[in-house]
Amino acid sequence: GENVEQHPSTLSVQEGDSAVIKCTYSDSASNYFPWYKQELGKRPQLIIDIRSNVGEKKDQRIAVTLNKTAKHFSLHITETQPEDSAVYFCAASKLTGGGNKLTFGTGTQLKVEL
Amino acid sequence: NAGVMQNPRHLVRRRGQEARLRCSPVKGHSHVYWYRQLPEEGLKFMVYLQKENIIDESGMPKERFSAEFPKEGPSILRIQQVVRGDSAAYFCASSPIGGLTTDTQYFGPGTRLTVL
Repeated sequence: GENVEQHPSTLSVQEGDSAVIKCTYSDSASNYFPWYKQELGKRPQLIIDIRSNVGEKKDQRIAVTLNKTAKHFSLHITETQPEDSAVYFCAASKLTGGGNKLTFGTGTQLKVEL
Repeated sequence: NAGVMQNPRHLVRRRGQEARLRCSPVKGHSHVYWYRQLPEEGLKFMVYLQKENIIDESGMPKERFSAEFPKEGPSILRIQQVVRGDSAAYFCASSPIGGLTTDTQYFGPGTRLTVL
């Protein structure tokens, strides 16, 4: 089955700096890669996703890049703000039209310091 | 415009009791996924259901755990004879009718199960 590794497990940055979180996946058939943000005690919220037919996607301060050959994808947050502090999870799945079982990474605790 | 609803939000059970967790998907969504999150860990897939059908239960323990998504009403995750190791947050997610372009999963607030 799919295996997703995520690094780093904790990341501390100064407000205004950029943050980068990296994930690798094992199943070359995976074609959908969402990123979720989870604040303490809250539900995971989708912040951005990318499909394997594109290499990069951007939404304001958030961007995701995908390298299918190397089987890794990364989340980039620019101009970080204190409200970006949370745990971020990457995930991978194979979209088959019959379901979308997500395999999650172990999470990155991002702390944005003033 | 209600999102995914889960209840109860917190559930305390003693060892050996039954836990019943409910999930109401986004209106119009017919696909439900259950995930378990142990403390300080990521989410692990348990089961995927469509109305009246279990499609994939590969992540669910073979014993004591069961799930259903009836034609009417919420999806239910049932844990019989709970043990301390079942203590976790259980999240439900829903997505629209299956298809390559309708794959986004929306998560509920979770049920935090504590087994004493």
